[in-house]
Amino acid sequence: GAVVSQHPSWVICKSGTSVKIECRSLDFQATTMFWYRQFPKQSLMLMATSNEGSKATYEQGVEKDKFLINHASLTLSTLTVTSAHPEDSSFYICSARKGQGAIYGIGGYTFGSGTRLTVV
Amino acid sequence: EDQVTQSPEALRLQEGESSSLNCSYTVSGLRGLFWYRQDPGKGPEFLFTLYSAGEEKEKERLKATLTKKESFLHITAPKPEDSATYLCAVGIQGAQKLVFGQGTRLTINP
Repeated sequence: GAVVSQHPSWVICKSGTSVKIECRSLDFQATTMFWYRQFPKQSLMLMATSNEGSKATYEQGVEKDKFLINHASLTLSTLTVTSAHPEDSSFYICSARKGQGAIYGIGGYTFGSGTRLTVV
Repeated sequence: EDQVTQSPEALRLQEGESSSLNCSYTVSGLRGLFWYRQDPGKGPEFLFTLYSAGEEKEKERLKATLTKKESFLHITAPKPEDSATYLCAVGIQGAQKLVFGQGTRLTINP
């Protein structure tokens, strides 16, 4: 159990266009989802935390208007990169957490397979 | 400030050569320490969660241990398929997010 599906796995877009990435929890309800960005040979950098039905909490330095996050249901969160530019090219990963009181462990925090975004 | 530091940054071993990866942490209140494995171009894959000092968990050739200041991931007789980046992360009391270390890139040569 505890599977998170992320789509697309890779996307190439033109500079100035917007791209939407989906993150779905397939077999559990995720009250909280997290979006990360990862540069080559570096660790995960948390961009924002989203709770179902409320506005996302962005980390310092992350542009809210550029990285739009929607968590409209307990199984789906989306990240939209608006007016993408080459510097937005990166590996984006989502993570979903079961329930507020869930114990840590398998399914406590489950990650998607990531999306490679290339802006040309 | 909550901080997680992993060492070494990279490690090359021969097949069968056992070793350990370190994860040192300084947090205000530890709720749990996680180990993940990440293959290139993939998301992190869950390995273990440790909750309190003295706890140990094993899975195949991997064994994770925890003290009040650090965690070790011991790899016994590794195989080339164990090559990956190993990430350590901590959950903190009063926070939803995990704090990640920089990871250790492990390469096992045949």
